[in-house]
Amino acid sequence: QSALTQPPSASGSPGQSVTIACTGTSSDVGAYNYVSWYQQHPGKAPKLMISEVNKRPSGVPDRFSGSKSGNTASLTVSGLQAEDEADYFCSSFASNTYYLLFGGGTKLTVL
Amino acid sequence: EVQLLESGGGLVQPGGSLRLSCAASGFSFRSYALSWVRQAPGKGLEWVSAISTTADYIFYGDSVKGRFTISRDNSKNTLYLQMNSLRAEDTAVYYCARGGVATGYSFDSWGQGTLVTVSS
Repeated sequence: QSALTQPPSASGSPGQSVTIACTGTSSDVGAYNYVSWYQQHPGKAPKLMISEVNKRPSGVPDRFSGSKSGNTASLTVSGLQAEDEADYFCSSFASNTYYLLFGGGTKLTVL
Repeated sequence: EVQLLESGGGLVQPGGSLRLSCAASGFSFRSYALSWVRQAPGKGLEWVSAISTTADYIFYGDSVKGRFTISRDNSKNTLYLQMNSLRAEDTAVYYCARGGVATGYSFDSWGQGTLVTVSS
């Protein structure tokens, strides 16, 4: 049961943009538009930021956007702010074998 | 306000059992699929199990299949996870999360989590 692949870390200065990649396979990310992104601050529960590749739930700033190309999904955070510093996890619906896979997580640091 | 409140975590010996509960409020419980997601200390998220609105469809991750059982009581607005034959690698914070096919397999609400520690 292989997790989706994310870079362990990413960083950017306030006001800059940063993109986090999430790589899967043709059985998960590449096959379905069911990619989600979650933000998690230390000691807190995850928070949904993006669903179905690029849908932003109510209350999530439009600085957060999602996209997908082939087997790789991406989360872009524009206009970085200090409060964006957190761990980010992607997930994707997989085949009947798994149901749902998560990425290993990316620690975003705002310099 | 949507609320999910997990309970039942604690310290258990390897090979032991534990039952987690997740009490829901603030939404139509019977209308949503639910999942358990866990996070080992300092590690990433791992999906554990999912259950459809009427429990017609149940899914498990490979690491817990045959040992864990998910269930729900729509009359009590409560989700459960019965965990048997526990191993050290099951040590984690366990979250209940709302969502399934109707939410695009995304989890739009999470509980605060309950810690399960498997150790002798």
